[in-house]
Amino acid sequence: DAGVTQSPTHLIKTRGQQVTLRCSPKSGHDTVSWYQQALGQGPQFIFQYYEEEERQRGNFPDRFSGHQFPNYSSELNVNALLLGDSALYLCASSLGENTEAFFGQGTRLTVV
Amino acid sequence: QQQVKQSPQSLIVQKGGIPIINCAYENTAFDYFPWYQQFPGKGPALLIAIRPDVSEKKEGRFTISFNKSAKQFSLHIMDSQPGDSATYFCAASSPGGYQKVTFGTGTKLQVIP
Repeated sequence: DAGVTQSPTHLIKTRGQQVTLRCSPKSGHDTVSWYQQALGQGPQFIFQYYEEEERQRGNFPDRFSGHQFPNYSSELNVNALLLGDSALYLCASSLGENTEAFFGQGTRLTVV
Repeated sequence: QQQVKQSPQSLIVQKGGIPIINCAYENTAFDYFPWYQQFPGKGPALLIAIRPDVSEKKEGRFTISFNKSAKQFSLHIMDSQPGDSATYFCAASSPGGYQKVTFGTGTKLQVIP
């Protein structure tokens, strides 16, 4: 049973560019959330998608946007990249909005 | 705004010792308190979780103690092993949104043989 899979694993982008990160939830899961984990810090909640709609959002600017597809997979888009956006981006999935979340291994984004 | 405070930042114990990690929260709406273990290059993995209606929960060598009145909870790792060396995060979430997890700042644990 494949767990939460994220792609790519590593990415280097230039300041001002745009980036798209992808996530496939664990089999049977329908809810996806995204987190940003800066080096040496705990993950911070960006937003959650359920039934293809953004249901909750953390304290992140509109440069961060997302999408959920009918097959429950999800994308995280970040526009106008800043150096401070360099972090590990984690995707988590669950069955419904009120069950435990399983995390993927993350995408390491470096903005130069 | 740090809603879940965690200490210590790092911890070194010898094999067989009992490391203790402490957390405190402010938001009384929190009612689910998971602990995550994260190895370098990996995502966090759920270790054990507790709800405020119980004061203690054990799963294998891991025990959570919960003090609702003090808004504090802690993780004890019995008979710690070098393989337990990892970063541990306490966390909390509210009803209607258990996917929106608020994490502590993490404790880097090293268990030396």
